[in-house]
Amino acid sequence: DTGVSQNPRHKITKRGQNVTFRCDPISEHNRLYWYRQTLGQGPEFLTYFQNEAQLEKSRLLSDRFSAERPKGSFSTLEIQRTEQGDSAMYLCASSYDRGNAEAFFGQGTRLTVV
Amino acid sequence: DAKTTQPTSMDCAEGRAANLPCNHSTISGNEYVYWYRQIHSQGPQYIIHGLKNNETNEMASLIITEDRKSSTLILPHATLRDTAVYYCIVRPPLARGKLIFGQGTTLQVKP
Repeated sequence: DTGVSQNPRHKITKRGQNVTFRCDPISEHNRLYWYRQTLGQGPEFLTYFQNEAQLEKSRLLSDRFSAERPKGSFSTLEIQRTEQGDSAMYLCASSYDRGNAEAFFGQGTRLTVV
Repeated sequence: DAKTTQPTSMDCAEGRAANLPCNHSTISGNEYVYWYRQIHSQGPQYIIHGLKNNETNEMASLIITEDRKSSTLILPHATLRDTAVYYCIVRPPLARGKLIFGQGTTLQVKP
């Protein structure tokens, strides 16, 4: 399967714990995006990478959130000191570096903070 | 950013064409219209996009009005597997591919 891969698919954690998610984009794609989706809502943009450079961060990305893409390939999203409000689906997408290139999404990581 | 308006929900009979409308009256001349869908508990799936001309691929057709203020996504022969939330998105210029999702239309295909 050469699509966008996200791990883990599900994560249950206790409030206050740190969690890290991984995204492996489609291999030729330079752009990588993270989105968050809560129940009944459309996905919300969190951050964007062009190769290893993080070029845009949403105001939704509080200082407890950090994303990296160290070698311009896979990316990680870490949430420190999780809160119940962080419970959501975290989606990763990737695309070619081209003006109107379509983005392809992974299946997401569903986080539940208890 | 150009805003889109979609009906909250629609029904369609299996085997019939599903026509999903989208209003984007404030669209700018260089903004593309994208359609994605999201089947329950899965990531969004790209369907089609266009700028001015009508577009067709193996999944759907996209009809954009001449003034570009609205568009319609057509699924020619809907199946039960097409039941999903459909998002119409106008991508802002200089957005570097970022997508702004609205609430979408929940399409229910019924047998």
